[in-house]
Amino acid sequence: DTEVTQTPKHLVMGMTNKKSLKCEQHMGHRAMYWYKQKAKKPPELMFVYSYEKLSINESVPSRFSPECPNSSLLNLHLHALQPEDSALYLCASSQGTSINEQFFGPGTRLTVL
Amino acid sequence: GDSVTQMEGPVTLSEEAFLTINCTYTATGYPSLFWYVQYPGEGLQLLLKATKADDKGSNKGFEATYRKETTSFHLEKGSVQVSDSAVYFCALTRSGGGADGLTFGKGTHLIIQP
Repeated sequence: DTEVTQTPKHLVMGMTNKKSLKCEQHMGHRAMYWYKQKAKKPPELMFVYSYEKLSINESVPSRFSPECPNSSLLNLHLHALQPEDSALYLCASSQGTSINEQFFGPGTRLTVL
Repeated sequence: GDSVTQMEGPVTLSEEAFLTINCTYTATGYPSLFWYVQYPGEGLQLLLKATKADDKGSNKGFEATYRKETTSFHLEKGSVQVSDSAVYFCALTRSGGGADGLTFGKGTHLIIQP
């Protein structure tokens, strides 16, 4: 199984809502990532979890809250988002070695109204 | 800091034409280099990789060689197909062990016409 899955595929939320994005991998990878991608732009790194611990936070606003319940799961909790947060949110995983080949999920298309 | 520069396009070619997408990088040490492809409405797929100087990555007819002396990792394909139409991202990750984010170029939009 070389797949990273993400749910939901699409999400529309208001600025006062609380929602969560989910990501799962069963490749035995020990590192998982959240990226944000705006239209016609490359992905931008948000968070890195290594061995279930947050190792990198790229100065992301606190309205985004990551969680890694176990080595296979990664969540991104959303609260009080702004319309400019509308984007494709991509999850990735890797073995966490120096080669760091990352495998991406299909993404969640988020729209904030 | 690390950076990747690639031609942004759009690059428009006819089917069966030869493809080159240039990519150069700036990084300390010996980064690993990657090409990812993104089809409309989808996530990124790893196309090929190279982890040390003079390595050649190849997949699905695409090739790229890690050139340390020119800090380049140009993507080539001998005969493109309409199905190759997508956005291509050159990326690197630092060496040295441990998990680290990818640094991406801005992406090249490739359009193949029948």
